[in-house]
Amino acid sequence: SAVISQKPSRDICQRGTSLTIQCQVDSQVTMMFWYRQQPGQSLTLIATANQGSEATYESGFVIDKFPISRPNLTFSTLTVSNMSPEDSSIYLCSVSQVVRETQYFGPGTRLLVL
Amino acid sequence: TQLLEQSPQFLSIQEGENLTVYCNSSSVFSSLQWYRQEPGEGPVLLVTVVTGGEVKKLKRLTFQFGDARKDSSLHITAAQPGDTGLYLCAGESSGTASKLTFGTGTRLQVTL
Repeated sequence: SAVISQKPSRDICQRGTSLTIQCQVDSQVTMMFWYRQQPGQSLTLIATANQGSEATYESGFVIDKFPISRPNLTFSTLTVSNMSPEDSSIYLCSVSQVVRETQYFGPGTRLLVL
Repeated sequence: TQLLEQSPQFLSIQEGENLTVYCNSSSVFSSLQWYRQEPGEGPVLLVTVVTGGEVKKLKRLTFQFGDARKDSSLHITAAQPGDTGLYLCAGESSGTASKLTFGTGTRLQVTL
């Protein structure tokens, strides 16, 4: 299984600012995903991070609000832009080494927006 | 939109009791996964079921995939405090390139 780290692990931010979350994997992976988990709730897929091209966003999520980069097969970033208190959530990246295989999750980034 | 409803939402039981968590949908999934998430961590995969009617056992945990591949259940025998956590089912549909739809979650607390 892949070992996944996320930075920062947690942060408290002021509304109107932006935060970039990093996801680093210890091996090359085919698929990388970003999820949001609001307090006490389940996971919602934000987007699939595609290497070398624009991310594929799910309904309700847009690139201007959640720009994503994936420069190589082991690293991705998610930016939460122009934050509001409603963006307070846990943001998780996940990876799968082969398409349609098991997804492994990072530890998450806990974001609180004041 | 595919929905996976889990029941119950919350469950508080004593050590040694048995419990079953259900995951239901009106959609067919090519596979279904069960995860457990503990506070401060990401979800950890417990099992993947692929074939309709499949039953998998993982120590005290028994997972079943419905014959029509629309529902699943997780049964825990003789629960222990270490089983405490958020249990999530997640379905993968054919043609969605590994995208998972997560269930609503079941929060389990096992007390001594």
